Amino acid sequence: DTGVSQNPRHKITKRGQNVTFRCDPISEHNRLYWYRQTLGQGPEFLTYFQNEAQLEKSRLLSDRFSAERPKGSFSTLEIQRTEQGDSAMYLCASSLFEDTEAFFGQGTRLTVV
Amino acid sequence: AQSVTQLDSHVSVSEGTPVLLRCNYSSSYSPSLFWYVQHPNKGLQLLLKYTSAATLVKGINGFEAEFKKSETSFHLTKPSAHMSDAAEYFCVVSERRQAGTALIFGKGTTLSVSS
Repeated sequence: DTGVSQNPRHKITKRGQNVTFRCDPISEHNRLYWYRQTLGQGPEFLTYFQNEAQLEKSRLLSDRFSAERPKGSFSTLEIQRTEQGDSAMYLCASSLFEDTEAFFGQGTRLTVV
Repeated sequence: AQSVTQLDSHVSVSEGTPVLLRCNYSSSYSPSLFWYVQHPNKGLQLLLKYTSAATLVKGINGFEAEFKKSETSFHLTKPSAHMSDAAEYFCVVSERRQAGTALIFGKGTTLSVSS
């Protein structure tokens, strides 16, 4: 399967714990995006990368959130000191260039208890 | 800022009848617009996109959408619904950001198809 891969698919964690998600984009895609989707809502933009450079972070991304793409390939999204409000589906997408089709992974569903 | 408004949170149709999912957009410039579909336990999939070429855009699985600037609309249609069309549909606008573009999603419309 050469699509966008996200791991884990599901994560249950206790409030206050740190969690890390991984996204493997389609090979050779330069752009990588993170979105968050809560129940009954559309995905909301969090951040994006051009190769290894993080170009922008949404205001939705508090200081507890950090994303990296160290070698311009896979990316990680870390949430520190999780809160119940962080419970959501975290989606990753990649595209070859800006304004070309974005391909989405199946997401990581986070539940904070 | 760009935005999209999906006018119906839920649409129910019978198999074989037409589908209409409504979307209005707000944009300060000529927008790029998309429709994505999300099936349960599957990733978001692009149905079609409008990028200032033909105003009637054809997509996959028999879907099409018409860009109407005068009405700021981009409604999604299909002549005959199939059971497999039941899913969540998102109208999306591309927004210019500091260093590129990002997709701005509507809240979604759940399409139910009954036999």
